[in-house]
Amino acid sequence: AQSVSQHNHHVILSEAASLELGCNYSYGGTVNLFWYVQYPGQHLQLLLKYLSGDPLVKGIKGFEAEFIKSKFSFNLRKPSVQWSDTAEYFCAVILGSNFGNEKLTFGTGTRLTIIP
Amino acid sequence: GAGVSQTPSNKVTEKGKYVELRCDPISGHTALYWYRQSLGQGPEFLIYFQGTGAADDSGLPNDRFFAVRPEGSVSTLKIQRTERGDSAVYLCASSLKPSGRYGQETQYFGPGTRLLVL
Repeated sequence: AQSVSQHNHHVILSEAASLELGCNYSYGGTVNLFWYVQYPGQHLQLLLKYLSGDPLVKGIKGFEAEFIKSKFSFNLRKPSVQWSDTAEYFCAVILGSNFGNEKLTFGTGTRLTIIP
Repeated sequence: GAGVSQTPSNKVTEKGKYVELRCDPISGHTALYWYRQSLGQGPEFLIYFQGTGAADDSGLPNDRFFAVRPEGSVSTLKIQRTERGDSAVYLCASSLKPSGRYGQETQYFGPGTRLLVL
C-alpha cells in the first residue's frame, strides 16, 4: 500500500509564479515529514523537515511546508519560483515513533519545470 | 568536506551474474542506508546500518540481496543471480548517529549506482 502520495507528476510554471506541490500520507500515528529535492545531475538533498512543534516549516531557498494533521498533508510552497527551481521534488515520511526507526518512505516525486 | 560516494557509477551485467555495489559514507557518520529507485518511482528503503550491524533490513526484497558493513564505515550491497527486475539506481545515504528522536539527523545521499541487468 502506498504510504505517501504525490498527485502532481509534472508541474510546469513560469518564473515568478507561486508553487504548491501536494503530499499526502496514509498513516494514523506519529510521523516525521520531509521534502527532498534532486536538481538535474545532482544528488538528492534535504529541503526541509517537520519533526514536531510549529506545523509551518521553513527550508532552504525560500521553500516552506505546512503540516496539517487533520488532512494528513504536508504540502510544499514557494511564493515566487525561479528557473533554478527546476528539479524533481520528493515528499518522504518516517512512520511511527520507535527509537531507531530511520526508514524514509518516499512518494513517487513531482517533476517541476520552470519556464524562463 | 567530501560527501557520500558510490562506486561504480554505472554497472551493466547479464542476468544471473553477481554484482557488488560500494558506498563510502561521510566521515564520522555511523548510520548508513541503502535505497533503490526504479524508473518513475521514489527511492525505496532496503536496509539501514547502525555501526557494523543491520538495524533494519526489512526492505531487502529477497535473499538474493545482502549488505555488509564490516568495519562500520564502507558498505557493500551484494546481489546474487541478478534479474532484469533488479535494474534500478541504488542509492546510499549516511547520517550522524540518531540521537534519540527519530528522523532528527539528516540523511545525506550519494550519487547512486545505476545498475542495468541485460
